[in-house]
Amino acid sequence: QKEVEQDPGPLSVPEGAIVSLNCTYSNSAFQYFMWYRQYSRKGPELLMYTYSSGNKEDGRFTAQVDKSSKYISLFIRDSQPSDSATYLCAMSRSGGSYIPTFGRGTSLIVHP
Amino acid sequence: GAVVSQHPSRVICKSGTSVKIECRSLDFQATTMFWYRQFPKQSLMLMATSNEGSKATYEQGVEKDKFLINHASLTLSTLTVTSAHPEDSSFYICSARDHGLSGYTFGSGTRLTVV
Repeated sequence: QKEVEQDPGPLSVPEGAIVSLNCTYSNSAFQYFMWYRQYSRKGPELLMYTYSSGNKEDGRFTAQVDKSSKYISLFIRDSQPSDSATYLCAMSRSGGSYIPTFGRGTSLIVHP
Repeated sequence: GAVVSQHPSRVICKSGTSVKIECRSLDFQATTMFWYRQFPKQSLMLMATSNEGSKATYEQGVEKDKFLINHASLTLSTLTVTSAHPEDSSFYICSARDHGLSGYTFGSGTRLTVV
């Protein structure tokens, strides 16, 4: 079993839809949770960063962490074609060098 | 915010030659940088951790003699792919963490094609 599981998709939605992206993990030592957006042939861009359980909102994006279920989510409201990209979840342990472990990414397609 | 610059963005080289990729932190000092490799539709695979002024730490299965890493200053790390072969063709990405911020900042990546 991989430490971080993420469905690669693709996930195709119409413009304006609410998108839900998810990851599960197996290591209870993970304390920091991140979501990155990666456009084709580009490096990942940090979208959200959360620590421990709960919700965090930033504009159209909401990150949710449920440590009891080892499950994290990223919600995108009012999705736009420009949101079409690959979304990678990442998480790291507390202490040490905080090197993140990445999911394989979910490809999102928002069609007009 | 923190910016990491990576060059070149794309390179094509002949088999047997070496290619150098540069990664610079533009507005912060990075004592540690990370080099990743990414295959199409796959996640980022950590290759090595680059430490300023000391030897890099390589992940299991990564040939340190093939992927030479130099981190000579607090703002520059380089990855040299030596004696490149077609199977080395991939997308290479560096990242660094600005300790004043949360999360990691990535470079824009380098698409290496070995012909």
